[in-house]
Amino acid sequence: NAGVTQTPKFQVLKTGQSMTLQCAQDMNHNSMYWYRQDPGMGLRLIYYSASEGTTDKGEVPNGYNVSRLNKREFSLRLESAAPSQTSVYFCASRGGLTLPQHFGDGTRLSIL
Amino acid sequence: KQEVTQIPAALSVPEGENLVLNCSFTDSAIYNLQWFRQDPGKGLTSLLLIQSSQREQTSGRLNASLDKSSGRSTLYIAASQPGDSATYLCAVSDYKLSFGAGTTVTVRA
Repeated sequence: NAGVTQTPKFQVLKTGQSMTLQCAQDMNHNSMYWYRQDPGMGLRLIYYSASEGTTDKGEVPNGYNVSRLNKREFSLRLESAAPSQTSVYFCASRGGLTLPQHFGDGTRLSIL
Repeated sequence: KQEVTQIPAALSVPEGENLVLNCSFTDSAIYNLQWFRQDPGKGLTSLLLIQSSQREQTSGRLNASLDKSSGRSTLYIAASQPGDSATYLCAVSDYKLSFGAGTTVTVRA
């Protein structure tokens, strides 16, 4: 009963380093999403993938890239981390536009 | 661009009181509205989903209403308990979810 799994749960990076956040869902959902959550600002969409093979920008895509590796997996990459990217990152998935989104437990990322 | 607002930002009530949380949105072209609960340092737990064609949805002590024409939803939590203390987020869905900033609820024993 895993649902949406994110790795790692915590990470500390230095400015300029790169890393990839991993997300996998086992619910056979078509759509997957990456959000970031900052204090007082709610969740904001970074990128999404409406179906396998497609990706699109959300509200705050600058500094990030994504890969929809297959139907299960959707990764988020920071090529050159900046302190402004310190945040909590959530991955989500859903089976269709009228269905609920399911969220992972988040990755807490600090960039020094 | 969809704007979602939640009022109040924080709420403190004694145990047993009913809770009323408000959510407003600017674009009524939505598929549905979802209410979430988030505990400190944790992920989001889905509470209720209301389709755009529905007026309300109920689950146990929780009831959510939706007035799409006026761009409003209300989450009612009956007979609050200290375990209800958390941040409650509403999100409206078109091709993605647009979130409010949340209402942080404290229920005092």
